[in-house]
Amino acid sequence: NAGVTQTPKFQVLKTGQSMTLQCAQDMNHEYMSWYRQDPGMGLRLIHYSVGAGITDQGEVPNGYNVSRSTTEDFPLRLLSAAPSQTSVYFCASSYSRGAGANVLTFGAGSRLTVL
Amino acid sequence: AQKVTQAQTEISVVEKEDVTLDCVYETRDTTYYLFWYKQPPSGELVFLIRRNSFDEQNEISGRYSWNFQKSTSSFNFTITASQVVDSAVYFCALRSPNFGNEKLTFGTGTRLTIIP
Repeated sequence: NAGVTQTPKFQVLKTGQSMTLQCAQDMNHEYMSWYRQDPGMGLRLIHYSVGAGITDQGEVPNGYNVSRSTTEDFPLRLLSAAPSQTSVYFCASSYSRGAGANVLTFGAGSRLTVL
Repeated sequence: AQKVTQAQTEISVVEKEDVTLDCVYETRDTTYYLFWYKQPPSGELVFLIRRNSFDEQNEISGRYSWNFQKSTSSFNFTITASQVVDSAVYFCALRSPNFGNEKLTFGTGTRLTIIP
């Protein structure tokens, strides 16, 4: 069972470039989300999804797009990278109902540097 | 609005000492969940515990224990007889379980260093 798989693990971009961070889970979780982790800021929610076809903004959505065409995948797109988007990004998923509800399983993280 | 405060940015203790990590939360919801996650130096985030707002019983799991007090909006985490492997950043988090508002709010974390 792979859990939550994020790719790539490391990426360096130039300002203005675009890219997509991939996230896939094989646990049939309804809920998926993206967080960014910055020193002294903890983890901040970027976007989340409660099911295929449904997405919503979190605390820091500007500069990012998401889509959820399948239950398994939740890619995060950086439209025009800025140095302020240098961060470690985590994808996380959970069940929305039942005993496992709300317990997030995290991916290993993706470290992004924007020059 | 939800908020989680972990006032202790960094803590260092000598191995085998007990240590308590503080977590204070704010929410207007009457039903909510509280969590602790551990982030070891390798970087992954590991789930430790979930507590719902209706269950104020303290919980013990091995050397770990959690003290949930709704009266003071606190959910503190104690490690007894600390070990070097406990060195990590620990995050407290809060979540409203209402469908359509399933946002997990994290504190800024406490970096715990266990000195051998």
